[in-house]
Amino acid sequence: EDQVTQSPEALRLQEGESSSLNCSYTVSGLRGLFWYRQDPGKGPEFLFTLYSAGEEKEKERLKATLTKKESFLHITAPKPEDSATYLCAVPDSGGSNYKLTFGKGTLLTVNP
Amino acid sequence: KAGVTQTPRYLIKTRGQQVTLSCSPISGHRSVSWYQQTPGQGLQFLFEYFSETQRNKGNFPGRFSGRQFSNSRSEMNVSTLELGDSALYLCASHRGGGLNTEAFFGQGTRLTVV
Repeated sequence: EDQVTQSPEALRLQEGESSSLNCSYTVSGLRGLFWYRQDPGKGPEFLFTLYSAGEEKEKERLKATLTKKESFLHITAPKPEDSATYLCAVPDSGGSNYKLTFGKGTLLTVNP
Repeated sequence: KAGVTQTPRYLIKTRGQQVTLSCSPISGHRSVSWYQQTPGQGLQFLFEYFSETQRNKGNFPGRFSGRQFSNSRSEMNVSTLELGDSALYLCASHRGGGLNTEAFFGQGTRLTVV
């Protein structure tokens, strides 16, 4: 069974204090890993797709990286507006690219 | 370009009733999937439709059903509502084709069963 585990469950940072969120997965034949941001009461917002080990993607203060067993979301000099739940997801190893298994998410709080 | 639109945004229903939720995908997207999000279980896959056909189904009871219309709009139905069905129901549309399978989500429908 596909499993996605995110850590930590919650992270509190001071503005400007860089850190990383972890997403580890057990999927046979990874066909992509997705990162999303979710604000309270809203749907997840797509951030990145990573397809192969060693790949990196960047967007503003966020950088996502991928290894064969895990992905990291690095947050550099975060601002209060980066506060949100960050989710990672992988497509079903059974063959469908449209059935995603999500981790439980990391709730990030950035204090001014 | 308009995003994924879900209606209604909020619903309150009584146990035993049924409910229908609606989703309009991004223009040009032909695949629509549905997820249930609860604090305890997180996001869980319900089903996925493409060209009016259900291609994938998650591990939910038969009370949960869906359909897709020829214009790619989709509906999901939950019959005989239970208190545990209270959740945020999210619809996502996919561009589809090759590796472009990113899911773009709507704002969700918050269902409360009392």
